[in-house]
Amino acid sequence: KNQVEQSPQSLIILEGKNCTLQCNYTVSPFSNLRWYKQDTGRGPVSLTIMTFSENTKSNGRYTATLDADTKQSSLHITASQLSDSASYICVVSVNNYGQNFVFGPGTRLSVLP
Amino acid sequence: NAGVMQNPRHLVRRRGQEARLRCSPMKGHSHVYWYRQLPEEGLKFMVYLQKENIIDESGMPKERFSAEFPKEGPSILRIQQVVRGDSAAYFCASSPPGLARTDYEQYFGPGTRLTVT
Repeated sequence: KNQVEQSPQSLIILEGKNCTLQCNYTVSPFSNLRWYKQDTGRGPVSLTIMTFSENTKSNGRYTATLDADTKQSSLHITASQLSDSASYICVVSVNNYGQNFVFGPGTRLSVLP
Repeated sequence: NAGVMQNPRHLVRRRGQEARLRCSPMKGHSHVYWYRQLPEEGLKFMVYLQKENIIDESGMPKERFSAEFPKEGPSILRIQQVVRGDSAAYFCASSPPGLARTDYEQYFGPGTRLTVT
């Protein structure tokens, strides 16, 4: 069964600190992996997308890594800001014609002043 | 270039009524996806449409739910005879035309929050 798991479920950090969010997946065949940021009451916004051959991808203070062998990905946030408070969703695309996107449950990040 | 638009943003329906959710994709986009997000849960795929065609409805409940994307106008997700369990946020996303669907970025709308009383 295609599945995406994320940890931790929620995380609280102080402004300025770094944090790392985890994503494990059992999706086959694998096409690509995305990280989305979803602010409360808003739609998800894409942060990064990585294909099988990419190990790391950065977008400002966000850096995503991918280990296709262990089927793990991480999202590292550097020097957190209050505006980083949101849910971060890992999404894995299935490389076939069907339900192509498998969403993780998200990690709820709260950045406190 | 306006983003994906959804309306209404909030919709309240009594049990048994019909709910109609609208989605206007980004300009130039011909793929539309509908997702449902239950409280405290992740997004779940419902249906994927192109203009006048349903491509994949594997995530859509077999009864009471239907979707369309007409040649003109927005995509519509219709829920007939709503029940309390239909209360959720419904998100629409769009992507540009192309063969490799999973390689294209999906742009999400702000969602419609449906409450069934």
